[in-house]
Amino acid sequence: AQSVTQLDSHVSVSEGTPVLLRCNYSSSYSPSLFWYVQHPNKGLQLLLKYTSAATLVKGINGFEAEFKKSETSFHLTKPSAHMSDAAEYFCVVSRWDSSYKLIFGSGTRLLVRP
Amino acid sequence: DVKVTQSSRYLVKRTGEKVFLECVQDMDHENMFWYRQDPGLGLRLIYFSYDVKMKEKGDIPEGYSVSREKKERFSLILESASTNQTSMYLCASSLPGQGIHQPQHFGDGTRLSIL
Repeated sequence: AQSVTQLDSHVSVSEGTPVLLRCNYSSSYSPSLFWYVQHPNKGLQLLLKYTSAATLVKGINGFEAEFKKSETSFHLTKPSAHMSDAAEYFCVVSRWDSSYKLIFGSGTRLLVRP
Repeated sequence: DVKVTQSSRYLVKRTGEKVFLECVQDMDHENMFWYRQDPGLGLRLIYFSYDVKMKEKGDIPEGYSVSREKKERFSLILESASTNQTSMYLCASSLPGQGIHQPQHFGDGTRLSIL
């Protein structure tokens, strides 16, 4: 069965320090992977997507993620956190049995301290 | 930019009422989705529509129905609202997959409380 696990429900960093949000997936085929961000009282916004091209994917707002098939991971990173990065982040994997259905992780809430 | 607009940000209804949640997208997308979002559970798909008048059940369709009479509009209907349907509801749209998964564009959500 396919699944996606976000390893931390909460991550706290200081402004200007690196961000690492961890995501592992389980899939018997080569999935599409996404990271979405949700700011308070807002819908989800696409940060980046991986669809079997380059394994290092660059997204908006300085975020990037690396697809590591051997580790079944798709961690999200940013070199330097900004206060505006405080939000909830969702790792998402495509389902093999559907061209549209996605599996959402349970989310990681990022807190940025001044 | 794709814009997905949900008609209400906050809604309070009573148990047993019939509730309509409306969603409109302006990018001529074929696919539209309704999700509910609950703490610790992520997003769960309620219904999906890939064309006008076409729909498919998602993972948690019980207690819900949908309507898509026009391409840009997708409505979620709670036939007889119950307290366990208190949640955040998110609408999304996307281009058709055609073999790859297209990113979905989300509205800002409707926070629905059933009393």
